[in-house]
Amino acid sequence: GAGVSQSPRYKVAKRGQDVALRCDPISGHVSLFWYQQALGQGPEFLTYFQNEAQLDKSGLPSDRFFAERPEGSVSTLKIQRTQQEDSAVYLCASSPKGRVSGNTIYFGEGSWLTVV
Amino acid sequence: AQKITQTQPGMFVQEKEAVTLDCTYDTSDPSYGLFWYKQPSSGEMIFLIYQGSYDQQNATEGRYSLNFQKARKSANLVISASQLGDSAMYFCAMREGDTSGTYKYIFGTGTRLKVLA
Repeated sequence: GAGVSQSPRYKVAKRGQDVALRCDPISGHVSLFWYQQALGQGPEFLTYFQNEAQLDKSGLPSDRFFAERPEGSVSTLKIQRTQQEDSAVYLCASSPKGRVSGNTIYFGEGSWLTVV
Repeated sequence: AQKITQTQPGMFVQEKEAVTLDCTYDTSDPSYGLFWYKQPSSGEMIFLIYQGSYDQQNATEGRYSLNFQKARKSANLVISASQLGDSAMYFCAMREGDTSGTYKYIFGTGTRLKVLA
């Protein structure tokens, strides 16, 4: 499709398990964002890429969270040794330019992670 | 301090009526953007409307309009002629630093709107 694609859509992980969440941005989009949305809350910023460069990772909650975008397109968010508090929807978004101006970024439908 | 405040956890509106969803924000950056997103149960964040801090006129997009009051730091969303399909969660968001190199969006906690038939 033409939109931001995320997989898996739903993931149930046992506590302590490692998970990897994938994001396929819109083709050619320079900027890519990851957000975490806990139940009943608004999304919170995790990290930002411009092409393959991770320019801002200030929102990653711990060193168990790692994100990469090695070729400047697909991105993976990895969570090691998952904890129950990691249960959330992880939203990926992309934007066509490096300098986001005016309008908006485009969100995927999210990966719903439940840690049991 | 919260940078985006949505004080209405839930709202009801009768079909075909207008509804206003409140949003106040806090920033010291003179350059910022304000956004409203709709999030249905499927989870996707759907862009509705954008207002730049330097825009002189209130933004409008079809049935959506943004009541931008800069001095009061408010950016309320007005939905006219509500439809049943408008039932969803609505988030106000702000993007600070249009002149800097990174663009972090800050979201409010959302307002759940239910349109009644």
